Amino acid sequence: QKEVEQDPGPLSVPEGAIVSLNCTYSNSAFQYFMWYRQYSRKGPELLMYTYSSGNKEDGRFTAQVDKSSKYISLFIRDSQPSDSATYLCAMSADFNKFYFGSGTKLNVKP
Amino acid sequence: GAVVSQHPSWVICKSGTSVKIECRSLDFQATTMFWYRQFPKQSLMLMATSNEGSKATYEQGVEKDKFLINHASLTLSTLTVTSAHPEDSSFYICSAMEGSNYGYTFGSGTRLTVV
Repeated sequence: QKEVEQDPGPLSVPEGAIVSLNCTYSNSAFQYFMWYRQYSRKGPELLMYTYSSGNKEDGRFTAQVDKSSKYISLFIRDSQPSDSATYLCAMSADFNKFYFGSGTKLNVKP
Repeated sequence: GAVVSQHPSWVICKSGTSVKIECRSLDFQATTMFWYRQFPKQSLMLMATSNEGSKATYEQGVEKDKFLINHASLTLSTLTVTSAHPEDSSFYICSAMEGSNYGYTFGSGTRLTVV
């Protein structure tokens, strides 16, 4: 079983839609959770960082962590064509080694 | 914010030759840098952890004699793919943490194609 599972998509939505991206994991020791955005042929860019359970909001982005279900989500409100990218989740137990999802490709159509 | 510069962005080399990829932290010192490899539609795979002034720590299954890592200064780590073969063709990415407990900054990646 992989440490982190993420649906590769692609996910195609119309502009303005609410997007929900998710990852599940198996290691209950994970307590640091991140979401990265990666444009084609570029390195990942950190979007959100959360520690332990709960929600965190930053502009149009909301990250949720449910440790009891081993499930994390990233919500994008009022999605824009510029949000079209691959979104990677990453997590760690001790901030020394991170485990990445395979990424979900998002396409926001104008 | 923290910036990590990776060079070159893309490189094509002949089978059997060696290729060096540089990763620089531009406005901060990074005692630790990380090298990843990404295959299409797969997770970023950690290859090794590069520590300034000491030997790199390689992940299981990564050949240390094939992927040479040097971290000679607090702002520069290099990955050399030796005797490259077509199966080494991939996207290589480095990252470093600034020091604040806030995630890692990634380089822009290097697309290596071995022909």
